[in-house]
Amino acid sequence: SQQGEEDPQALSIQEGENATMNCSYKTSINNLQWYRQNSGRGLVHLILIRSNEREKHSGRLRVTLDTSKKSSSLLITASRAADTASYFCAPRTGGFKTIFGAGTRLFVKA
Amino acid sequence: GAGVSQSPSNKVTEKGKDVELRCDPISGHTALYWYRQSLGQGLEFLIYFQGNSAPDKSGLPSDRFSAERTGGSVSTLTIQRTQQEDSAVYLCASSGTEGNQPQHFGDGTRLSIL
Repeated sequence: SQQGEEDPQALSIQEGENATMNCSYKTSINNLQWYRQNSGRGLVHLILIRSNEREKHSGRLRVTLDTSKKSSSLLITASRAADTASYFCAPRTGGFKTIFGAGTRLFVKA
Repeated sequence: GAGVSQSPSNKVTEKGKDVELRCDPISGHTALYWYRQSLGQGLEFLIYFQGNSAPDKSGLPSDRFSAERTGGSVSTLTIQRTQQEDSAVYLCASSGTEGNQPQHFGDGTRLSIL
């Protein structure tokens, strides 16, 4: 298991703008997962990208993975106030133990 | 189908008391995880179960913390002789039979120690 580190720690944007957050990790991975956490709730899995994939889309979400740089980015297009949440990445190296980072807090202003 | 269910949703107790937190995973999920999240912080891994066994207990903060899982389903996290620093949200998650699969989270138990 290894921990991903999200960057920036916090991000504040206007509704309609795009939001980009990044995740870096240290060793080779099997896949990388992104999660969202709304205030007072548990984490919700958003998207999984495998190590042999470079880009993946889901609705307004776009995830990229650069295994040579050991980094991933999550792009939320045309953000909405409802996207206000904390976002976490989880690099998975095999097995079950999962170490989450501190996350990126996104605030979308209406 | 039903998601991961945790109870109670909130628990307030006095320092020194024991508390039990319960997690009902998604039916058929063999892996179950416990995490702790302090206010405004990330998640701290505590323990995971594969079936009824816990191969990795390294995340438990002290010997006051224990967890068990019976019948490959419900899990209980017990904190004995609670301390104020135990105040946090305790999150449970479950996933399928293979490692690396996405986890499904409950909404947590918010524990406050007075």
